[in-house]
Amino acid sequence: ILNVEQSPQSLHVQEGDSTNFTCSFPSSNFYALHWYRWETAKSPEALFVMTLNGDEKKKGRISATLNTKEGYSYLYIKGSQPEDSATYLCAFKGAGKSTFGDGTTLTVKP
Amino acid sequence: NAGVTQTPKFQVLKTGQSMTLQCAQDMNHEYMSWYRQDPGMGLRLIHYSVGAGITDQGEVPNGYNVSRSTTEDFPLRLLSAAPSQTSVYFCASSTRSGSSYEQYFGPGTRLTVT
Repeated sequence: ILNVEQSPQSLHVQEGDSTNFTCSFPSSNFYALHWYRWETAKSPEALFVMTLNGDEKKKGRISATLNTKEGYSYLYIKGSQPEDSATYLCAFKGAGKSTFGDGTTLTVKP
Repeated sequence: NAGVTQTPKFQVLKTGQSMTLQCAQDMNHEYMSWYRQDPGMGLRLIHYSVGAGITDQGEVPNGYNVSRSTTEDFPLRLLSAAPSQTSVYFCASSTRSGSSYEQYFGPGTRLTVT
């Protein structure tokens, strides 16, 4: 079983704060690293797909970086808004299957 | 495009009953997977398939069977339901073209075993 770890497990911030989470994964047999956003009572939706060491992706106020050599990815949210409240999952794609971390649950208070 | 569809949305079973959770996708994706999600935990892989006729076990396969006779369908069978199988089940699909392997998830099936 592959070890994909996310930290912190949960995070409470005020509206307007910037925040970041970490995903660590095996540095061998790497195909891709995915970030998903998962709102309560909905299905996970893909945010970013990252495949190359040094990749940086951005979507609005959310960005992510990737370091495949040391096995970690950071997700950043700038100026958090209440609608950013969700669980953020990372998934390591190796040969044949994906392994998910347990997620970071973000709560943004107005 | 309907994407990934799952039926039923909710199901209550008694211990020992069997049932099949249905999953279908209309995106011609090669990869399909079944996950379960339990409180405080992320998504755990039950079974997956890399193409029609090919299936393999994930992290938590015990008590579940799958088959993949067509590209579109990937049903999950519970052979003899147990309370430990109370969970939310998600089906997902992805393409292997390019290198993204981004997964598209169905709406989930909430299963309660009493």
